[in-house]
Amino acid sequence: AQSVTQLGSHVSVSEGALVLLRCNYSSSVPPYLFWYVQYPNQGLQLLLKYTTGATLVKGINGFEAEFKKSETSFHLTKPSAHMSDAAEYFCAVSDWGAGNQFYFGTGTSLTVIP
Amino acid sequence: NAGVTQTPKFRVLKTGQSMTLLCAQDMNHEYMYWYRQDPGMGLRLIHYSVGEGTTAKGEVPDGYNVSRLKKQNFLLGLESAAPSQTSVYFCASRPGTSPLHFGNGTRLTVT
Repeated sequence: AQSVTQLGSHVSVSEGALVLLRCNYSSSVPPYLFWYVQYPNQGLQLLLKYTTGATLVKGINGFEAEFKKSETSFHLTKPSAHMSDAAEYFCAVSDWGAGNQFYFGTGTSLTVIP
Repeated sequence: NAGVTQTPKFRVLKTGQSMTLLCAQDMNHEYMYWYRQDPGMGLRLIHYSVGEGTTAKGEVPDGYNVSRLKKQNFLLGLESAAPSQTSVYFCASRPGTSPLHFGNGTRLTVT
């Protein structure tokens, strides 16, 4: 079975500072990895995804993530935080197995301090 | 393009009452999913469907039933609501090997 661990349920950064949200996964097969963002009272939106190929993946709103197989990690970064980045972020893994299930982490709430 | 639409957006039930949540997608996606979201627990899969007429249990299926009579619709039923089912419910869909597309959620309170 797959699983995802997000370190830090709450992260606070100053506006303009680096954003780093951590995600580690476990998977018995090459995983497909995703980051989703959730704004208040909304559904989840896809930020970026890793399937195959280049391990550094760029997403929307200036976010990027790097797949590191040796560390089983897929951390999300953004060089300069903006107030509009305040949201809940979820890491997810899929192995495209039976049912094509997604397994989500417990989420990280990002606060951006002006 | 509406994407994934969930009905209703909010609902308050009394313990023991029943209700059905409707999820409709207009993207011709094969796979559909129901998740519940609770503080500190992320999203947990309740049931899912890999195609019209098929359903399967996810991580937390107890107390819920589902049906997928039409490809575009995925219904989640609560036969006898309990306070532990107070949650935000999300429906999602996807075609083959692609990311999930989510609806905006249904906030359910069981008193």
